[in-house]
Amino acid sequence: DGGITQSPKYLFRKEGQNVTLSCEQNLNHDAMYWYRQDPGQGLRLIYYSQIVNDFQKGDIAEGYSVSREKKESFPLTVTSAQKNPTAFYLCATVGTGGIEQYFGPGTRLTVT
Amino acid sequence: QKEVEQNSGPLSVPEGAIASLNCTYSDRVSQSFFWYRQYSGKSPELIMSIYSNGDKEDGRFTAQLNKASQYVSLLIRDSQPSDSATYLCAVRVVSSNTGKLIFGQGTTLQVKP
Repeated sequence: DGGITQSPKYLFRKEGQNVTLSCEQNLNHDAMYWYRQDPGQGLRLIYYSQIVNDFQKGDIAEGYSVSREKKESFPLTVTSAQKNPTAFYLCATVGTGGIEQYFGPGTRLTVT
Repeated sequence: QKEVEQNSGPLSVPEGAIASLNCTYSDRVSQSFFWYRQYSGKSPELIMSIYSNGDKEDGRFTAQLNKASQYVSLLIRDSQPSDSATYLCAVRVVSSNTGKLIFGQGTTLQVKP
């Protein structure tokens, strides 16, 4: 069963705690992206990675960190420095030579 | 000025009608344009991509691109209640090779039986 998986689907944390969101893909895609979506808004880019062991900041990287140690995996850590972490987090991939982005099912994070 | 703008709606159409969704963008060098459908609580699903001026048809969906006017639209013919969703317009930034997409805020479509 191919595709992009994100886990967990729902995540609840207390303010001040770091939390790591998982994104895994078995599509052999090189590029991976993390977006954040707030109610009634479009998606905003947090981080992206085009190859293993390399990643770049997006438009709203403050308070987030990532790693890309394997082609299949691009986890996102939401740190306590992120002021408004409650949001819907979406991971996307793009295949080699392609430009169309495909999204995983998302993780809905609630921080109280 | 927002880089990609959409009317948030809701746009309400009767079943069987044509729904017209519009999007304008500010970056003149943008070359790739995408429409995503997002059902409530779900992730976006790519339904159309268009790269050159004119129309591109896929089933009941037609994407229209006018680069001179910096305008891209999505027409949905024979609208069905199952088309009720939020439609996101996305534009690929070509000033770098990052593959970055800029998204509009989305238009909510309601198709009434």
